[in-house]
Amino acid sequence: QQQVKQSPQSLIVQKGGISIINCAYENTAFDYFPWYQQFPGKGPALLIAIRPDVSEKKEGRFTISFNKSAKQFSLHIMDSQPGDSATYFCAASTGNQFYFGTGTSLTVIP
Amino acid sequence: DAGITQSPRHKVTETGTPVTLRCHQTENHRYMYWYRQDPGHGLRLIHYSYGVKDTDKGEVSDGYSVSRSKTEDFLLTLESATSSQTSVYFCAIRTAAGNTIYFGEGSWLTVV
Repeated sequence: QQQVKQSPQSLIVQKGGISIINCAYENTAFDYFPWYQQFPGKGPALLIAIRPDVSEKKEGRFTISFNKSAKQFSLHIMDSQPGDSATYFCAASTGNQFYFGTGTSLTVIP
Repeated sequence: DAGITQSPRHKVTETGTPVTLRCHQTENHRYMYWYRQDPGHGLRLIHYSYGVKDTDKGEVSDGYSVSRSKTEDFLLTLESATSSQTSVYFCAIRTAAGNTIYFGEGSWLTVV
């Protein structure tokens, strides 16, 4: 049973466009929602994170939008660049447990 | 860099042989995790540890065992490797200050 559902599985965006990745969860006990970025051959690296008492968090070109009532959250990458091409994972945690989405492979075309 | 070192980074082994992966951390973090990453499944928790000799199972623990005899080392053992255990294995630590986990660089295991 997938605790966190992520879509789309893959995404192709033109340079300068907006990339949007969506995640949904069911467990209302989750209290922390991080996003990770992973380049080939590397471990996932923390990109940005949000807590459920906040509806939006922005760091540079990366924004998390959080909808607590819908139990959904999304990552927006503004002005997408070829260097953003990577796999992105959403996650949700409660206590010591972290649950990950299945990942989105993003390709930004120059 | 969260001070995590995984070894070996790459290994090819035969079905039925035992395999041990090592995770070493240098910052005395209490919580350590082992995940496996597979296409279509994302990252799935195998086992985690919340202190020396304190471990618990994750969602895909069958076929794996762990040990933590020192704070800095968390070992993952495949007692008898199977082809279904071909995967990329990531160690992670959780910092005391926040609620975030940080991953190592991964260990690529192929069971033939």
